[in-house]
Amino acid sequence: DIVMTQSPDSLNVSLGERATINCKSSQSVLYNSNNKNYLAWYQQKTGQPPKLLIYWASTRESGVPDRFSGSGSGTDFTLTISSLQAEDVAVYYCQQYYTNPPTFGQGTKLEIK
Amino acid sequence: EVQLVESGGDLIQPGGSLRLSCAASGFTVSTNYMSWVRQAPGKGLEWVSLIYSGGDTYYADSVKGRFTISRDISKNTLYLQMNSLRADDTALYYCARGRDGYNFFDPWGQGTLVTV
Repeated sequence: DIVMTQSPDSLNVSLGERATINCKSSQSVLYNSNNKNYLAWYQQKTGQPPKLLIYWASTRESGVPDRFSGSGSGTDFTLTISSLQAEDVAVYYCQQYYTNPPTFGQGTKLEIK
Repeated sequence: EVQLVESGGDLIQPGGSLRLSCAASGFTVSTNYMSWVRQAPGKGLEWVSLIYSGGDTYYADSVKGRFTISRDISKNTLYLQMNSLRADDTALYYCARGRDGYNFFDPWGQGTLVTV
């Protein structure tokens, strides 16, 4: 199974500042035949199901604010929130869908400083 | 509107059985990849099971041989039959659709709670 490791486990950022969450996979999730990284990011607010934010490592889901961006390739990925808003307080998960079983990172809890 | 609604969660004794349901609207379950993902209290997300549009099924090692995923085309509903339940199966169980023919998940249901 591909192991997904996020860092940090928790993050405190001031409103309006940049938040950066990292995700590392134990093997590459880049499929060479289509040059796509099989990596998604989700946001889970308290008491709610996860919400898809980013897929293919950098494609923003429709309706997701453009302050959210994804980057990286191969085994190392980053979710960036360019200017933190109060409503961004949540736990963020990365997930690989390169191979079965789909696996998630352990989550990063983002709070306001 | 694309929507998933889970039901069937309950408080159950160890060794017992339970069947979860996930009713879909706005799309057809049988033509999509569908998964169950669980979240133990205060913990992260754990994928549990997957059924492909062609009917192939996959399971996490932790539930293999105990859980069975299935679907009812006429009811547009996904199921998870859970047998030989253990305390570590206690979790909020979500159903989720694999988007665009891949196993990234959208939408998710609200979840149904299983307590063993």
